[in-house]
Amino acid sequence: NAGVTQTPKFQVLKTGQSMTLQCAQDMNHEYMSWYRQDPGMGLRLIHYSVGAGITDQGEVPNGYNVSRSTTEDFPLRLLSAAPSQTSVYFCASSYGTTRRPAPTNEKLFFGSGTQLSVL
Amino acid sequence: DAKTTQPPSMDCAEGRAANLPCNHSTISGNEYVYWYRQIHSQGPQYIIHGLKNNETNEMASLIITEDRKSSTLILPHATLRDTAVYYCIVKGTTGNQFYFGTGTSLTVIP
Repeated sequence: NAGVTQTPKFQVLKTGQSMTLQCAQDMNHEYMSWYRQDPGMGLRLIHYSVGAGITDQGEVPNGYNVSRSTTEDFPLRLLSAAPSQTSVYFCASSYGTTRRPAPTNEKLFFGSGTQLSVL
Repeated sequence: DAKTTQPPSMDCAEGRAANLPCNHSTISGNEYVYWYRQIHSQGPQYIIHGLKNNETNEMASLIITEDRKSSTLILPHATLRDTAVYYCIVKGTTGNQFYFGTGTSLTVIP
């Protein structure tokens, strides 16, 4: 099983460029989310989605857009990259939603990360 | 969601039990305690969760105090591969998100 797949693994951008980080899961998970992790810090939630067509903001949403047109995919868009967005980005998914609340369903499965540098 | 407090770092001798503490004094009745770990630069990995009873699985044991204001993750026989950052998170079941703090960096020493 592929699980949660993130592409690309590494990316270098120039300030002002745009790009999309891809995230796909094959576990039929309704919940998906994006985190960023800066050196010496924990993970901070950027955006999340509880199902196709539904997205919401996390702790640090500024500068990022998301959409959820399918259950499988949850891309993260940087419209105008800034050096402050240099970070490692993780996508995560889980089976749990408000329609089937249960702590076991809340387990997050993470992708392997995308290391982004903005020059 | 309730916030948690963890020591920034700990060491443990290989083969010994690693006991990682977590304080969550503002936890509410419907919130669970979850533990994840992050090895080097990989994505975090789920370890265990519990509400008020002690829990054990193939990876670890979770001990939650009777007043639920603190918990301890126990790795019974630590190996070098257990060197990682361990995150303690308190979360309700619906409509809430996982917020990761900075965790405890555990180093298992040969």
